[in-house]
Amino acid sequence: DSGVTQTPKHLITATGQRVTLRCSPRSGDLSVYWYQQSLDQGLQFLIQYYNGEERAKGNILERFSAQQFPDLHSELNLSSLELGDSALYFCASSVDDGSGGFYLNTQYFGPGTRLTVL
Amino acid sequence: TQLLEQSPQFLSIQEGENLTVYCNSSSVFSSLQWYRQEPGEGPVLLVTVVTGGEVKKLKRLTFQFGDARKDSSLHITAAQTGDTGLYLCAGRYNNNDMRFGAGTRLTVKP
Repeated sequence: DSGVTQTPKHLITATGQRVTLRCSPRSGDLSVYWYQQSLDQGLQFLIQYYNGEERAKGNILERFSAQQFPDLHSELNLSSLELGDSALYFCASSVDDGSGGFYLNTQYFGPGTRLTVL
Repeated sequence: TQLLEQSPQFLSIQEGENLTVYCNSSSVFSSLQWYRQEPGEGPVLLVTVVTGGEVKKLKRLTFQFGDARKDSSLHITAAQTGDTGLYLCAGRYNNNDMRFGAGTRLTVKP
């Protein structure tokens, strides 16, 4: 158990819909990262938040957005869902991002949310 | 497009055998990490390497970072069934850009 929790574990929805994925980081961790893992694309970094502020952006679509709340939990919002959005979505947390990136920080991954878009 | 190439994509061996998996890029990494992911779980960090030519050992696992910091290898000695999983490398290219490889799926048979 990494200490990172994600809900829900599974989510099935239809194209065009909007969903929200939730992540609670390990106690004391200030950084939260979101990743998408699909069979054909591997693990793709989406976005990072540090203490409530966006810190880094990866391959995140404009239909997707995220935020980190004062209690440090984070939500990933996916809208206008398409079939190709079906994937595992992971959240990870770390204590500090050091220089502003991933340098030498250990990221602890949650168990993931499996999203299926029908 | 994957900036990191991992090979082989799949590997199936018998318990007790040795194996090496590779992570290559045409670009220089400032640092590189190896993770193992088991079915239904998130990736777990195994090691971080930073210096070209660096070698790190974790029990039966040996990690090497290439001199030019464009490649890395993971060698497992006397593989056990518990080593079964997806091995991912993740390279950091600049301050805020981190990319994962597609992974090597290892199966160790008893």
